[in-house]
Amino acid sequence: NAGVTQTPKFQVLKTGQSMTLQCAQDMNHNSMYWYRQDPGMGLRLIYYSASEGTTDKGEVPNGYNVSRLNKREFSLRLESAAPSQTSVYFCASSRQGALNTEAFFGQGTRLTVV
Amino acid sequence: AQTVTQSQPEMSVQEAETVTLSCTYDTSENNYYLFWYKQPPSRQMILVIRQEAYKQQNATENRFSVNFQKAAKSFSLKISDSQLGDTAMYFCAFMKQGDDKIIFGKGTRLHILP
Repeated sequence: NAGVTQTPKFQVLKTGQSMTLQCAQDMNHNSMYWYRQDPGMGLRLIYYSASEGTTDKGEVPNGYNVSRLNKREFSLRLESAAPSQTSVYFCASSRQGALNTEAFFGQGTRLTVV
Repeated sequence: AQTVTQSQPEMSVQEAETVTLSCTYDTSENNYYLFWYKQPPSRQMILVIRQEAYKQQNATENRFSVNFQKAAKSFSLKISDSQLGDTAMYFCAFMKQGDDKIIFGKGTRLHILP
C-alpha cells in the first residue's frame, strides 16, 4: 500500500520555467490537497479538491494551478516559477466523513527556484 | 475563517522529561477534528493523535495525550517520558466536520536533549 506518492522529490528551476508536481493516492480518498511549507510559516494550503472534477483555492493560490485528473491524481503546476515559490511542497489526501478521518501526506518535494 | 495558533516556536527538554506543546484555535463551529502531526528530520508527516470535538474524553496514544478544552478552544499535546526520537517539528491542525480544508499552525520545533 503506497499511500500518497508525489514526484519529484527534488527540483531546481530557473526563474520563468514551468513544471508540474505530480501526486497520486491509492486509498480511494475523495479529498486531496497541496500545501507549501516554509520556515516559520507552517503548512499553508495552496489548493484543495473535495472530489474528482472540483478544485478550490486555499490560502496562497497565486502563481499556481491544479488539476484533479481523476480520483487518484491531483497535480500542481507552476506556469512561470519565481524565487518566492522556493519551498517544500506536500500533497495530502483524506476521506471526508469518516470517523477516523486524517490526512495522509506524501514525502514532499523540495523546489528551489533560482 | 478558522485559525490555529502555536505560541511556542521552539522548545527543548531533557530526555525522560514531560513536555507540553500548546495549541489554540479559533472557530465558530461545533463539530470538528483536531490533530497533532509530527515531522521528523526525514520530512515525513506522521499523525500523532486525533481528537473529535464531540468527545469529551481526551485522546491518548501511548506516551502522547492531549488536553482538549473546547470552551477555551485549546488543544495541548503532552509527551511523557520523552525520547530522543521525539525530536521533530510538531504541527497542530484543525478540520471542520463536513469541510475539506485542513488548517495547520506554524509548528513547534521540539528538541529532546540527551
